[in-house]
Amino acid sequence: DVKVTQSSRYLVKRTGEKVFLECVQDMDHENMFWYRQDPGLGLRLIYFSYDVKMKEKGDIPEGYSVSREKKERFSLILESASTNQTSMYLCASSQYGGGPGGKRQETQYFGPGTRLLVL
Amino acid sequence: GQNIDQPTEMTATEGAIVQINCTYQTSGFNGLFWYQQHAGEAPTFLSYNVLDGLEEKGRFSSFLSRSKGYSYLLLKELQMKDSASYLCAVRDPSYGGSQGNLIFGKGTKLSVKP
Repeated sequence: DVKVTQSSRYLVKRTGEKVFLECVQDMDHENMFWYRQDPGLGLRLIYFSYDVKMKEKGDIPEGYSVSREKKERFSLILESASTNQTSMYLCASSQYGGGPGGKRQETQYFGPGTRLLVL
Repeated sequence: GQNIDQPTEMTATEGAIVQINCTYQTSGFNGLFWYQQHAGEAPTFLSYNVLDGLEEKGRFSSFLSRSKGYSYLLLKELQMKDSASYLCAVRDPSYGGSQGNLIFGKGTKLSVKP
């Protein structure tokens, strides 16, 4: 079974604090993603990575950065937390080319999420 | 532009059948996914369609018509535990990096009543 874990389920931080959200997957997946999910807005992609030390911006990268020093770990960093970053943060991973019969299905598997509250 | 539409909410009765529709307009297409998400939890993978037609998996089936930009998720013999949000997502090769990332719809919240 694919396992994606996130460092915290719930987190409360103050405005201006630096926040680290950690994500680890144990299936040797190449691809990793960070999303945030807000009511009425759905899942929005923040950053993604297709390989170690590689990162690319998603739709809403402002105020965030990422780090991928090892294949299994993808960290999301809020440089200076603000109240509008209060959200549910979801990490996902997928295997490049993965899928039955050689189909490039590349299903994304999600971690349990971190609910972040910035006061 | 890229757009994925699904109804915001639906209600159905235990034991019944419900169909959740998804229409999409994307620059490219390389597969459509359905995910289930219970309140406060992570999305979990339900089904994948890349060719036209019906894919069946137990009580759940998913249909795709690429020419119409349309998919539906069919849930049979509804159970109370099926109360959840259902997310439609399309892989667009032109979105994001070289492999194409997923574009998610906002989800359909399904309430199953006794």
